Parts: sequence; structure tokens; C-alpha cells
Amino acid sequence: GNSVTQMEGPVTLSEEAFLTINCTYTATGYPSLFWYVQYPGEGLQLLLKATKADDKGSNKGFEATYRKETTSFHLEKGSVQVSDSAVYFCALSDFNTGGFKTIFGAGTRLFVKA
Amino acid sequence: GAGVSQSPSNKVTEKGKDVELRCDPISGHTALYWYRQSLGQGLEFLIYFQGNSAPDKSGLPSDRFSAERTGGSVSTLTIQRTQQEDSAVYLCASSLESSLSSYNEQFFGPGTRLTVL
Repeated sequence: GNSVTQMEGPVTLSEEAFLTINCTYTATGYPSLFWYVQYPGEGLQLLLKATKADDKGSNKGFEATYRKETTSFHLEKGSVQVSDSAVYFCALSDFNTGGFKTIFGAGTRLFVKA
Repeated sequence: GAGVSQSPSNKVTEKGKDVELRCDPISGHTALYWYRQSLGQGLEFLIYFQGNSAPDKSGLPSDRFSAERTGGSVSTLTIQRTQQEDSAVYLCASSLESSLSSYNEQFFGPGTRLTVL
């Protein structure tokens, strides 16, 4: 079945450091890939998405590129801020084999220190 | 405008009791999802409703779990004879109608934290 694996946290960085959160997936078809973010005390919200191979999703300085050859969708940001402290979830939807359900990873908690 | 709302925000119950969790989706959103988030785990899909189509119930973990959506709007997730392993945060999300060729962003509610003693 379809699955998502992302790096375990917590990840602790100093402000302005480079961020990478690794995400790999297993899917029988051609899924769409997503990163969701959950800020403290708030609900999950979509951060970015990519719907086909080599697409790059970007938002708020975050980027992730859909790599079909490595089945990966790593999240990156060049310079993190304290306000980026949150839990980040990698997710996929494979409409042709999985319908509209979204499969989420376990989440990676990021702490950014001033 | 108003986002997805869920009630109650917290629910503590005794093992064996039934509970009902409510979700009010964003007005105009025809798709509604329920997920479960256990401590240290990712979100686990439970059930999906879209319009008048038959719901996708493939994620419900047992027959103690059921959900309905009345009038295409409010949804209720019911857990019968609760067990301690049912303790989790139950999240509801809604979106515009999705199709096989396009994905519509899911908007999540704040969740209901269920504790089964």
C-alpha cells in the first residue's frame, strides 16, 4: 500500500540556519505530494504541493521538489526563523489507486532558537 | 470567513461508553474527511464524504466506528464502546469537490482530543 516516511524529530536549529526535512514515499501509482504544517495551537494547513515528477512546490520560503527517481519530496528552507517552529507533515494522495484519502507521515517537529 | 469547527474540543470518557464528535465544515465545501492522530503518530485516514456519493469508509479501524453526514454539511463521528486505544486527537477537514484530475486543499479543524479512561 501507499506510505510516507519522514525523518524523526525533533529538529533544533538556530535562526537563519538551513533546513532540510527528509520525506520518502511508496506508491503504486503517480501520487500528488504535499507538505502540511501545524503551528502551535493551530490546525494543520497546506504549506505546498507538487502534482507530478520534477514539479517544485514553494511557499513562504519553503521548497520541495518531486523526485520520482528517488521517491522523495524533501522540504528545504534556506534561512529559518523562530516563527517557523512547528510540526511539518509530508503527505501523498494517489487518486487512481487510493481515492481521495491522504496518507500522512508521522510529522517532524522543528524548533528554531533565536 | 469561518473555518472548520469541531466540538467538543476535549472529551474524557470511561471505557465502554459511546461518544459523538461533531464537525462543521466550511460552507460550500462538499468534501469532508475524518482523521485520527495518536500520540507520536501521523494522521490516520478514517472516512471521506463527497456530496451525495457513497462515503469511503476504508480507514475505519473497527465496526465500533461510524460516521454520518446530514444534509451534506455537518458530520458526526460516533465511537461505540470506547476502548483506551481510541484515545487520540480526531481531526476533521473539508475541501471543495475534488476530482481525479485535481486536488483541492483540505482545511483542517482544531480537533477533538478524546481520552478514554
